Amino acid sequence: SQKIEQNSEALNIQEGKTATLTCNYTNYSPAYLQWYRQDPGRGPVFLLLIRENEKEKRKERLKVTFDTTLKQSLFHITASQPADSATYLCALDGDTGFQKLVFGTGTRLLVSP
Amino acid sequence: EAQVTQNPRYLITVTGKKLTVTCSQNMNHEYMSWYRQDPGLGLRQIYYSMNVEVTDKGDVPEGYKVSRKEKRNFPLILESPSPNQTSLYFCASSSKAEIINNEQFFGPGTRLTVL
Repeated sequence: SQKIEQNSEALNIQEGKTATLTCNYTNYSPAYLQWYRQDPGRGPVFLLLIRENEKEKRKERLKVTFDTTLKQSLFHITASQPADSATYLCALDGDTGFQKLVFGTGTRLLVSP
Repeated sequence: EAQVTQNPRYLITVTGKKLTVTCSQNMNHEYMSWYRQDPGLGLRQIYYSMNVEVTDKGDVPEGYKVSRKEKRNFPLILESPSPNQTSLYFCASSSKAEIINNEQFFGPGTRLTVL
């Protein structure tokens, strides 16, 4: 069956460290993968997109990797700050349906001072 | 300010009482979607619309209706709500011009409780 999995346990790190979140998928062949940030009580906000032919994408303190062999994307936040505390969702294009996005359940990141 | 708005933000209702959740976007986006978000299940698409008068089912359309009479508005209708429709609902829009990125702009969410 098709699955997209993110660690359901919260990730706790100290300010200044690098946070690494994982998104694994099964039985999908996505052309791209997206990462969103979601704060409590708010809608997700788009952060980054990485395509299947890209190994790595960077945006300021964010870095995303995409390994189609491992069927995995890693999301890194360097020099993390308490303001980075949020839930991070990955999403990929599903195999069927127009503009079909399939979302993971998200991983909560807590950055302590 | 470019945004997607939803109303109401919070709603408690009873089984069987018809309700409508409104969604409006001011970005002239062609594409709009409704999602529900439940613990452990993530965001699931309910319905989507490619343009005015063009709508189609997503993954979990049962018990919902939508309409797209105007480009900016995409209301979600629950004709006879049931407790299993208690959830957090998000409207999202995206641009046809940016279809290659498929970046979704989400509204603030509507928390619905059906008793």
